[in-house]
Formats: sequence, C-alpha cells, structure tokens
Amino acid sequence: EDQVTQSPEALRLQEGESSSLNCSYTVSGLRGLFWYRQDPGKGPEFLFTLYSAGEEKEKERLKATLTKKESFLHITAPKPEDSATYLCAVQGILLAETSYDKVIFGPGTSLSVIP
Amino acid sequence: ETGVTQTPRHLVMGMTNKKSLKCEQHLGHNAMYWYKQSAKKPLELMFVYSLEERVENNSVPSRFSPECPNSSHLFLHLHTLQPEDSALYLCASSPQGPPTVEKLFFGSGTQLSVL
Repeated sequence: EDQVTQSPEALRLQEGESSSLNCSYTVSGLRGLFWYRQDPGKGPEFLFTLYSAGEEKEKERLKATLTKKESFLHITAPKPEDSATYLCAVQGILLAETSYDKVIFGPGTSLSVIP
Repeated sequence: ETGVTQTPRHLVMGMTNKKSLKCEQHLGHNAMYWYKQSAKKPLELMFVYSLEERVENNSVPSRFSPECPNSSHLFLHLHTLQPEDSALYLCASSPQGPPTVEKLFFGSGTQLSVL
C-alpha cells in the first residue's frame, strides 16, 4: 500500500540551529515528491517538487533532497519566521483501476524556531 | 483578487443543517480539488474536477456533494453531517489537472464544526 511518513512529528530549534526533516515513502513508481509549508489557519504553500533520486533544490534557508526511499528538508540557520508545519506529498504512477494517480500527503512535521 | 479564495472561513452547523462551502480560483487553472484536513491526520483527497468534469470521488459519504459549475468555481454542499466531519476543508487548484505532475495552489480553508 502506498504511504508517506514524516519524522519527527514536532521539532523545536533555537534560532540558527540547523536540522533536517525526514519524509519516507513507499509508492508504486514515483512521479513526483512535493514539499509544502503550512502556517496556522492557512492552506499549504508550495515549496519544491523533486522528480528523481539524486535531485536537490534550494530556496533561501531550505534545501530539499531525494533518494529512492526518502526525502530530506534541510533547514540551515533557521529563523523564527520559518516556524510552520512542513508537509511532504508523493505522486505515484497511474494505477490501472483509476484515472487519477493520487497525491498522498504525509502527516507533517511541526517546526518551532525559538528566538 | 488573486489566488484561491474560500468562503466562509469558519462555519458552525448542526447535524440537521444544510450548508455550502464555496471556492473560487483566479489563476486560470483547469483543475480544482476538495481536501479534508483533520487534526493529527494527513490531508485526505475528497474530490477532483478537471475541466468541470469530476474525475475522482475518493469514497466520500453522500452527505458531501460537490458541484463545479465552471472551471473557476467549486462548491461543497453539506447535509446531515456528523460530529466526526468537523475539520478544515481545503480547496486547491492546479494548471492542468490529472495525471500531470504539478503543484497545488491552496485556499485558506473553511474550518467546519458540526455540533
């Protein structure tokens, strides 16, 4: 069964303390892996799409990497404004019994950056 | 106004009420989605519309009824809901729709409480 897990569930960092969030997935053929950021009371906001193992993407203090089984979101020298829930989502191959290759979301990692 | 707009932001309803959630996208996208986000659970896909045609109904109870009159508007009609239906309901859009691998643009959601 296709699934996405994320760890840790919650993470508290001091401002400037770098760390990584993990997204592990099992899917019948990966077509794309997405990272989103969600602030309280708002919908998720897109960060990155990764398509194949070995790919990396960066945006400001964030860097996303992808292997065949997991993705990491590295946060370098975080600031309080980086506090949010980070969601990982996976899109697998088109399944025979459906016209829609579903995007499966993980439960998220809640990040708090303390000044 | 730009992006994806959802109304109302908050809704409290009794189990016998009938209400509707509205979503409007100003991005010129062809696909629109309804997602449910419950506390401590991953986002769950409910419905997908591509060019106003429903392409996915993810085993959603019939007390939830979607409507997509055109590619810019999406409704979710609610009737005889249960307390476990209390959640954040998120609308999203994407440029092309399934099976394209593309990011989703989310609205801010409607926080629904069923009493």
